Amino acid sequence: EADIYQTPRYLVIGTGKKITLECSQTMGHDKMYWYQQDPGMELHLIHYSYGVNSTEKGDLSSESTVSRIRTEHFPLTLESARPSHTSQYLCASSGGTGSSNQPQHFGDGTRLSIL
Amino acid sequence: QKEVEQDPGPLSVPEGAIVSLNCTYSNSAFQYFMWYRQYSRKGPELLMYTYSSGNKEDGRFTAQVDKSSKYISLFIRDSQPSDSATYLCAMSRGTYKYIFGTGTRLKVLA
Repeated sequence: EADIYQTPRYLVIGTGKKITLECSQTMGHDKMYWYQQDPGMELHLIHYSYGVNSTEKGDLSSESTVSRIRTEHFPLTLESARPSHTSQYLCASSGGTGSSNQPQHFGDGTRLSIL
Repeated sequence: QKEVEQDPGPLSVPEGAIVSLNCTYSNSAFQYFMWYRQYSRKGPELLMYTYSSGNKEDGRFTAQVDKSSKYISLFIRDSQPSDSATYLCAMSRGTYKYIFGTGTRLKVLA
């Protein structure tokens, strides 16, 4: 079973607050990802990282930012939350080197509600 | 048109039935194919991972890839109520980018 942890699991917070969603993995994976998942919709990639100090934006435009200072940690930050940010946020990681493709393993997500 | 199409269901079957879940895709460059199971309020859990065409079996689960038809399937034998979940297909060309289906909701009735 994959060891990837997300906190908090649920968050209800008011508009304008700064939010950080935490994601940690203990598998030593170089690659980490953040997805947004809404009911009945496919997962959309919002950020990914190939390793420490490497971050890129995904296909879905997002006002969030990420950092990768340590291999195991990939937090996502919203500087000023808005109701449009209400969604489920999933963190994933994968191993493999170079272009080698290994499957992604997911955490249980953070369900975020902005009032 | 979406790159990956998956029937959202819901699909209801009696316990013990053989379940067939499918996805079609349009990009012939996809080489890696995954099936995930997602329970309510949980993250997707990897079930099957295959490369290129062919079959792969793991316990009650069999994944099939037909690249010529751009069609992948997941079969569940002797389905159980605990198999009730949403099943997501995903595929990749071998880069960071995965394309996911919208998921099929499966309900196995006891």
